[in-house]
Amino acid sequence: GENVEQHPSTLSVQEGDSAVIKCTYSDSASNYFPWYKQELGKRPQLIIDIRSNVGEKKDQRIAVTLNKTAKHFSLHITETQPEDSAVYFCAARLGRGANNLFFGTGTRLTVIP
Amino acid sequence: GAVVSQHPSWVICKSGTSVKIECRSLDFQATTMFWYRQFPKQSLMLMATSNEGSKATYEQGVEKDKFLINHASLTLSTLTVTSAHPEDSSFYICSAYDRVGHTEAFFGQGTRLTVV
Repeated sequence: GENVEQHPSTLSVQEGDSAVIKCTYSDSASNYFPWYKQELGKRPQLIIDIRSNVGEKKDQRIAVTLNKTAKHFSLHITETQPEDSAVYFCAARLGRGANNLFFGTGTRLTVIP
Repeated sequence: GAVVSQHPSWVICKSGTSVKIECRSLDFQATTMFWYRQFPKQSLMLMATSNEGSKATYEQGVEKDKFLINHASLTLSTLTVTSAHPEDSSFYICSAYDRVGHTEAFFGQGTRLTVV
């Protein structure tokens, strides 16, 4: 199966600064990479995703970059706000007809007002 | 986006009893549903893949006789934790894909199981 590693495990930034979370994956057949935000005791919410045929995708303050050669992808949050504080998970999904997601270990982001 | 409803949202049960958790896709048909387990401050670990009309596929290390999965219809999958023990206490979350094969996985709200 796929192995997804995520760093850092915790991240604290000042409000207004940028936050970057990085993930690597092991299987070059993976073709879909979503990012989820999870608040305590709640379901993961998709915040952005990227397919393997795209190198970068942006949605307002959130962007994701993908380097297929190096097998890593990153989440960038600009102009962070206190409500961005949560746990963020990256994930990867294999192609070849598989639908299950392999999750990273999570990053607890704290935005300090 | 599509809606996946999970019930109950929390449950407390005694050791040795069984608990059933339901996962329903409310506005789409889900040929495949996934069951995850999440321990405090940890990631989501895939337990099993539930396919409508066939046996579930379990991940390595997950006891199929303990975690019974039934996916009898295109909108409902159930996870039954049998003979529950305190170490089974965890947050269980399901996710589903619609039949058309949308890319995004939709998650249920999760079930917090506490076994006393």
